[in-house]
Amino acid sequence: DQQVKQNSPSLSVQEGRISILNCDYTNSMFDYFLWYKKYPAEGPTFLISISSIKDKNEDGRFTVFLNKSAKHLSLHIVPSQPGDSAVYFCAAGGTSYGKLTFGQGTILTVHP
Amino acid sequence: EAGVAQSPRYKIIEKRQSVAFWCNPISGHATLYWYQQILGQGPKLLIQFQNNGVVDDSQLPKDRFSAERLKGVDSTLKIQPAKLEDSAVYLCASSQTNNEQFFGPGTRLTVL
Repeated sequence: DQQVKQNSPSLSVQEGRISILNCDYTNSMFDYFLWYKKYPAEGPTFLISISSIKDKNEDGRFTVFLNKSAKHLSLHIVPSQPGDSAVYFCAAGGTSYGKLTFGQGTILTVHP
Repeated sequence: EAGVAQSPRYKIIEKRQSVAFWCNPISGHATLYWYQQILGQGPKLLIQFQNNGVVDDSQLPKDRFSAERLKGVDSTLKIQPAKLEDSAVYLCASSQTNNEQFFGPGTRLTVL
């Protein structure tokens, strides 16, 4: 049973445009959500997070939106840059415990 | 601040052999995690330590996998005997809180 799903295996975007990565979850107990970025041969790097008490969190070019009723979150990158090309993982967990459940990842390619 | 260290970075073994991975978390981080990431999938938690005690090992295949965190700092993960399906990247992460986790570069294991 996959509790966190990223249904798009890949996304290709032109430099300067917006990248939108999507994530769906099924477990209502999740109250904390994170996005990680991963380059080849490196471990995942934390990008941005959001608590379930919010519906939006912004950090520079990165914004995460949370729709609790739809159990859906998305990551917006504006403007996209070639250096953003990487695998992006959505993860969900609870503030009362540390275990994170990850999605399958989306490969983002930003073309110059 | 030094990041999470892991060794070796790469390991190739034959099935039925044993292998061990080492992790040194970020100084002061009480919680340590081992994840298995199979190609094309997101990381899957194998075991979570709080100091030197196990918090969650529900997804650890205990007939062949073992892990320890002596003195609440470094940790080792062992596989004995290895199977072909154990080929994956093994990621170690640490955290101060139950939220943001910092990952090491991982150990890529190939079982032939």
